[in-house]
Amino acid sequence: KQEVTQIPAALSVPEGENLVLNCSFTDSAIYNLQWFRQDPGKGLTSLLLIQSSQREQTSGRLNASLDKSSGRSTLYIAASQPGDSATYLCAVAAGFGNEKLTFGTGTRLTIIP
Amino acid sequence: NAGVTQTPKFQVLKTGQSMTLQCAQDMNHEYMSWYRQDPGMGLRLIHYSVGAGITDQGEVPNGYNVSRSTTEDFPLRLLSAAPSQTSVYFCASSALGGPGPEAFFGQGTRLTVV
Repeated sequence: KQEVTQIPAALSVPEGENLVLNCSFTDSAIYNLQWFRQDPGKGLTSLLLIQSSQREQTSGRLNASLDKSSGRSTLYIAASQPGDSATYLCAVAAGFGNEKLTFGTGTRLTIIP
Repeated sequence: NAGVTQTPKFQVLKTGQSMTLQCAQDMNHEYMSWYRQDPGMGLRLIHYSVGAGITDQGEVPNGYNVSRSTTEDFPLRLLSAAPSQTSVYFCASSALGGPGPEAFFGQGTRLTVV
């Protein structure tokens, strides 16, 4: 059974700092890995998706990497802003699509102005 | 674009009552899924569908039923509500195959069973 772990559970950093969020998974047979953002009381918004054959994806100040062999992914956020405060979730997709995602429990990020 | 729409946003049920959580998407996605989110446990898959008329169980299916008669709609039925089903429920959809498009989520339904 796939298990996804995110450490730390919570993180506070001053505004402007670069930071890294970690995600690890136990079964390397994945279709893709996605990073989501969740604001309090809201749904999930997809930030980045990395195919199993890719090593990294970038969008603006966000960069996600994937090392399938070691079962790890990182989400790098550059020049953090208070608006980045949210819970960040990673999820891995099994099989051939996104119909079955296994989620980590998330990292709650607080950016201190 | 509406994306994935869930109704209702909030619901309080008494133990033993039944209800249906609605989910609709307007992106013509083949894949649809239901998750529940509980504190400290992340999101867990309840049921999923890979197309109209095809459904299957996820990790925590007990106490829930689904059907998929159209591509757009994927309702989740609670047969006899229990306090353990107090949770936030999310519906998701994504397209079939291709380069691995991302999953889109609704805003959630917060359910309390008393």
